[in-house]
Amino acid sequence: GIQVEQSPPDLILQEGANSTLRCNFSDSVNNLQWFHQNPWGQLINLFYIPSGTKQNGRLSATTVATERYSLLYISSSQTTDSGVYFCAVGGSEKLVFGKGMKLTVNP
Amino acid sequence: SAVISQKPSRDICQRGTSLTIQCQVDSQVTMMFWYRQQPGQSLTLIATANQGSEATYESGFVIDKFPISRPNLTFSTLTVSNMSPEDSSIYLCSVDQGGRTRAFFGQGTRLTVV
Repeated sequence: GIQVEQSPPDLILQEGANSTLRCNFSDSVNNLQWFHQNPWGQLINLFYIPSGTKQNGRLSATTVATERYSLLYISSSQTTDSGVYFCAVGGSEKLVFGKGMKLTVNP
Repeated sequence: SAVISQKPSRDICQRGTSLTIQCQVDSQVTMMFWYRQQPGQSLTLIATANQGSEATYESGFVIDKFPISRPNLTFSTLTVSNMSPEDSSIYLCSVDQGGRTRAFFGQGTRLTVV
């Protein structure tokens, strides 16, 4: 099945710093999404981005489908950005999740 | 976006017992998905629940252990049967809007088996 790799696995930042999260996948997909899981376990959908670039406030994402990777940018990070970020990809109906990246933003 | 209510939000259960988790969506959806997230791990799909048909289980998950009901287009239940401490996980239900667009999740059920 499709493989999803996220990097880095962990990241610690000071408030106000920027970061880039990477997601590599092993096969062509028509569905790629980024999620944030807060410390209480709630999963929030950040982007549906099978290709191209999208921006939502301080967050933006770019997927280069032909090269099988996606990037999530977080600018001017805040403590509320802490949590685990997941990339999930799919070719048909179901999503396959990466292992996640734990982000800690310190005040 | 879909609003998903999942109950209970957490529970502590004795080994050998069963727990039924409910998932209610505020709109009709074709497919509902049940995931397990073991401590410190990623999400693993347990099964896909379609209304009016048997759920489709992923490799490693069986109906006897995780029976699923889908009585209508807005509701589903997942039962974790004959629980052991290894079943301690967060269980999440999810829907998408159809056409492989954005997926939305309930708040999860944090299960501890003692």
